[in-house]
Amino acid sequence: TQLLEQSPQFLSIQEGENLTVYCNSSSVFSSLQWYRQEPGEGPVLLVTVVTGGEVKKLKRLTFQFGDARKDSSLHITAAQPGDTGLYLCAGEQTDSWGKLQFGAGTQVVVTP
Amino acid sequence: SQTIHQWPATLVQPVGSPLSLECTVEGTSNPNLYWYRQAAGRGLQLLFYSVGIGQISSEVPQNLSASRPQDRQFILSSKKLLLSDSGFYLCAYHRQQMNTEAFFGQGTRLTVV
Repeated sequence: TQLLEQSPQFLSIQEGENLTVYCNSSSVFSSLQWYRQEPGEGPVLLVTVVTGGEVKKLKRLTFQFGDARKDSSLHITAAQPGDTGLYLCAGEQTDSWGKLQFGAGTQVVVTP
Repeated sequence: SQTIHQWPATLVQPVGSPLSLECTVEGTSNPNLYWYRQAAGRGLQLLFYSVGIGQISSEVPQNLSASRPQDRQFILSSKKLLLSDSGFYLCAYHRQQMNTEAFFGQGTRLTVV
């Protein structure tokens, strides 16, 4: 059982559409990160959120940390084929400093 | 900024053969280093981590071992590979300041045949 549950597992959309992926848990995290991974490569850090309710924007990507610091969402506006990849969330718990719990990921495919 | 080198990128090994995957880090000293295995649909499983030379912590019992012979070198090994050792292995450096962020190598796709 994953500590962090990501949904959906797979998402296929057309270029220009919007999408949202979710990362949920029953546990509280002191921080949460989002990574994007392309085939055959390691994940690349996109953003870290640390405060309940925090919203961060990275160009067309909007990240939100839940008020209770148990969940997060990633919203992509006007998706482009370059947004294709596996999106992973990872959380750090206060009693496990230095260790990260990873979700299983959401595979996003954006077709032209 | 730090750079994580991991090799080889792909590896096909017969059952029962030994394994050695190497990871080196540049741009930082005394890094906290981690080995993960990624299986399809199951996220990243932490295998080992090391906070310094000769210091290894194992997260799950398995057929693998790890060593930290130098400050910026982290090695994943096996004496005899099993079919179930197949997977995508990732080395990572955790930058631990106010919070922890992971920086990954390119990964090694291991296929045991």
